[in-house]
Amino acid sequence: QQQVKQSPQSLIVQKGGISIINCAYENTAFDYFPWYQQFPGKGPALLIAIRPDVSEKKEGRFTISFNKSAKQFSLHIMDSQPGDSATYFCAASSRVQAGTALIFGKGTTLSVSS
Amino acid sequence: EAGVTQFPSHSVIEKGQTVTLRCDPISGHDNLYWYRRVMGKEIKFLLHFVKESKQDESGMPNNRFLAERTGGTYSTLKVQPAELEDSGVYFCASSPRQGKTYEQYFGPGTRLTVT
Repeated sequence: QQQVKQSPQSLIVQKGGISIINCAYENTAFDYFPWYQQFPGKGPALLIAIRPDVSEKKEGRFTISFNKSAKQFSLHIMDSQPGDSATYFCAASSRVQAGTALIFGKGTTLSVSS
Repeated sequence: EAGVTQFPSHSVIEKGQTVTLRCDPISGHDNLYWYRRVMGKEIKFLLHFVKESKQDESGMPNNRFLAERTGGTYSTLKVQPAELEDSGVYFCASSPRQGKTYEQYFGPGTRLTVT
């Protein structure tokens, strides 16, 4: 049973466009929702994260939107650039239990065309 | 500050052989995790160390996998004997002992291919 569902599996966006990746979770005990960015041959790098006490968090061109009632969160990449082409993973865990494992979505491969 | 390092970056072995993967966490990080991504699937948790103690090994697939963290520094993950389904990318991650203990930083991974 997959606890974090991510969509779409792949995404092609034109340079300057908005990339949107969606995730849904099931476990209401989750209270930490990070997004990781992975380039080929590299490990996942922490990009941005949100807690459920806020509905939105913005860092530069990256924004997380969070809907607690729907148990959904999404990553928006504004003004997408070719350098943003990578695989993006959403994840969830519980901060209360220190060291709790991250539960990942299956990943979204983003290609930004120039 | 150096990041999480893993060795080797790639390993190709035959079914039945043994392979040992190594992870060096960020200095001072007491929490160390192992994850695995099989092609096309999600990154899945294998186990979690706090210093040298196994805190959670619920994700370990079977007893062919043995993880150690002697001295609470680097960790090794041994697969013996390797099977075809063990192929995938093995990631190590670490997080600090205090403060944002939930922020996990990943290494570049070891790609294991079992033929």
